[in-house]
Amino acid sequence: NAGVTQTPKFQVLKTGQSMTLQCAQDMNHEYMSWYRQDPGMGLRLIHYSVGAGITDQGEVPNGYNVSRSTTEDFPLRLLSAAPSQTSVYFCASSYGGLDGYTFGSGTRLTVV
Amino acid sequence: GENVEQHPSTLSVQEGDSAVIKCTYSDSASNYFPWYKQELGKGPQLIIDIRSNVGEKKDQRIAVTLNKTAKHFSLHITETQPEDSAVYFCAADYGSGSARQLTFGSGTQLTVLP
Repeated sequence: NAGVTQTPKFQVLKTGQSMTLQCAQDMNHEYMSWYRQDPGMGLRLIHYSVGAGITDQGEVPNGYNVSRSTTEDFPLRLLSAAPSQTSVYFCASSYGGLDGYTFGSGTRLTVV
Repeated sequence: GENVEQHPSTLSVQEGDSAVIKCTYSDSASNYFPWYKQELGKGPQLIIDIRSNVGEKKDQRIAVTLNKTAKHFSLHITETQPEDSAVYFCAADYGSGSARQLTFGSGTQLTVLP
């Protein structure tokens, strides 16, 4: 089992560019989420999905879009990158509810 | 929404000593309280969790206690080892039904000195 796979691991963007952070899981998990991690602020929820075709906003959704066309994939799109979006992004999944969230290894994004 | 506060932000202990990390939460409806360990360059990993119908839970050298009346829960690590050095996050659930999610504390950097 690969678990939760995030790509790329590192990315540098210029202000205004767009990109998609990929997240895939092979555990047939229904719940998937995206978090950003900033120093001293823990993990903050961006968007989440409780199943294919269903997404909802978290605590800090502005500037990000998501879609969930399959159970396995949950990409995060940055529409127009800003320096404030410099962060480490984590994708997580679980079979049902909040039990036993499995996190990916993260994507470190720098916006210059 | 839920607010989770975590203390201390940094903690240094001698190898073999115990470490305690404390969290408080604001939403009395919270029922699920997991703890995650994050090693450098990796994603957080669940190490132990507790539900509101239980006051304490142990797993080898790790234990978690929950006081629902006071709205606080703590992580206890006994006989610490250098490999316990990491950032630890507490979390609490919030929301309703299938939309329940986790709010995380700001993290504790634990350093175990050899």
